[in-house]
Amino acid sequence: EPEVTQTPSHQVTQMGQEVILRCVPISNHLYFYWYRQILGQKVEFLVSFYNNEISEKSEIFDDQFSVERPDGSNFTLKIRSTKLEDSAMYFCASSTRETTEAFFGQGTRLTVV
Amino acid sequence: LAKTTQPISMDSYEGQEVNITCSHNNIATNDYITWYQQFPSQGPRFIIQGYKTKVTNEVASLFIPADRKSSTLSLPRVSLSDTAVYYCLVWGPDSWGKLQFGAGTQVVVTP
Repeated sequence: EPEVTQTPSHQVTQMGQEVILRCVPISNHLYFYWYRQILGQKVEFLVSFYNNEISEKSEIFDDQFSVERPDGSNFTLKIRSTKLEDSAMYFCASSTRETTEAFFGQGTRLTVV
Repeated sequence: LAKTTQPISMDSYEGQEVNITCSHNNIATNDYITWYQQFPSQGPRFIIQGYKTKVTNEVASLFIPADRKSSTLSLPRVSLSDTAVYYCLVWGPDSWGKLQFGAGTQVVVTP
């Protein structure tokens, strides 16, 4: 079964540092997403991406966040200056246009210290 | 986006059928109902989606009454590995790609 892969599985960074979370979506999918889940809380939508541009973003996705598809396979989330409250599990997902069946990766646990 | 309400938790024994009902009173005409499952420290996993009546796949069944103001996810003969959080989501063309997860229902299956 095809799957979304995310790296690293766990990242520890110091407050104020930049981090890049990486994702390889399913190869024939065209729509890509980032979600996050703070420990013990609900899954929150961050951003959706299609045709090399952001389709929609939430209020969480402020100027410190950016996404990029640098090549034909990777999809990245960059956090420019991390804060303690950015500590969370970040999930990448992808889907085809016709369905809400989004395939989620295993997540990257980001810990900001 | 239609608001959904579902029980916070449900307990079951192995082999039993688990039914989780979700209410979505302000569902729009073009909205679909989607259910996801999440295990601890894993990403959500799509289970099933429907628009009306009944949908069944190898994992679950989804029952949607005519007024579509609620839906029931049915998990037949659960096992310990079905212990997870189950999310009911309502999705429509205007909210494509922006899945809004609520708190979900924590299902605990015991021997």
